[in-house]
Amino acid sequence: DAGVTQSPTHLIKTRGQQVTLRCSPKSGHDTVSWYQQALGQGPQFIFQYYEEEERQRGNFPDRFSGHQFPNYSSELNVNALLLGDSALYLCASSPTENTGELFFGEGSRLTVL
Amino acid sequence: GQQLNQSPQSMFIQEGEDVSMNCTSSSIFNTWLWYKQDPGEGPVLLIALYKAGELTSNGRLTAQFGITRKDSFLNISASIPSDVGIYFCAGLTGTASKLTFGTGTRLQVTL
Repeated sequence: DAGVTQSPTHLIKTRGQQVTLRCSPKSGHDTVSWYQQALGQGPQFIFQYYEEEERQRGNFPDRFSGHQFPNYSSELNVNALLLGDSALYLCASSPTENTGELFFGEGSRLTVL
Repeated sequence: GQQLNQSPQSMFIQEGEDVSMNCTSSSIFNTWLWYKQDPGEGPVLLIALYKAGELTSNGRLTAQFGITRKDSFLNISASIPSDVGIYFCAGLTGTASKLTFGTGTRLQVTL
């Protein structure tokens, strides 16, 4: 039973570029959340997707957008990258909304130069 | 964004010792959770607490949900080398599904 898988694992971009990160949830899970983890910090909630809709959003600008597909997989897009966007981006899945019992992937480490 | 306050920030202990760490918030949460993150990995859920005053164990781990609903603690008994990692507390409100994470406690275990 595959857990949460994310791609790519590492990537380097320059300021102003755009990036797309991908996530496949654990089998049987239909809810996907994205978190940003800066170095030395705890994860910060970006948004959550359920039934292909954004259900909850954290305190992140509109440059951060996402999508959920019919097979429950999800993408995180970040436009106009800033140096401060450098972080580990974690995808988490759960079998339902409104639960804190999340299964996290290993993350995508983004470096913006 | 908001982060919960965890203490201590880091701990260096010897194998076999007991460990205690806590987490405080200015806001009330209806669910408290503890996660562990190893280097290069995502966080893994250790314990979930759903009721104020609740004390829950998972093997050598014991956690409590504070009566005020603004704090929680985690104890690890008889530490072993694989306990090394960063421990995060996280809070969840009743109607929202976003977790608010703590600042983390880094645990190092020496033989």
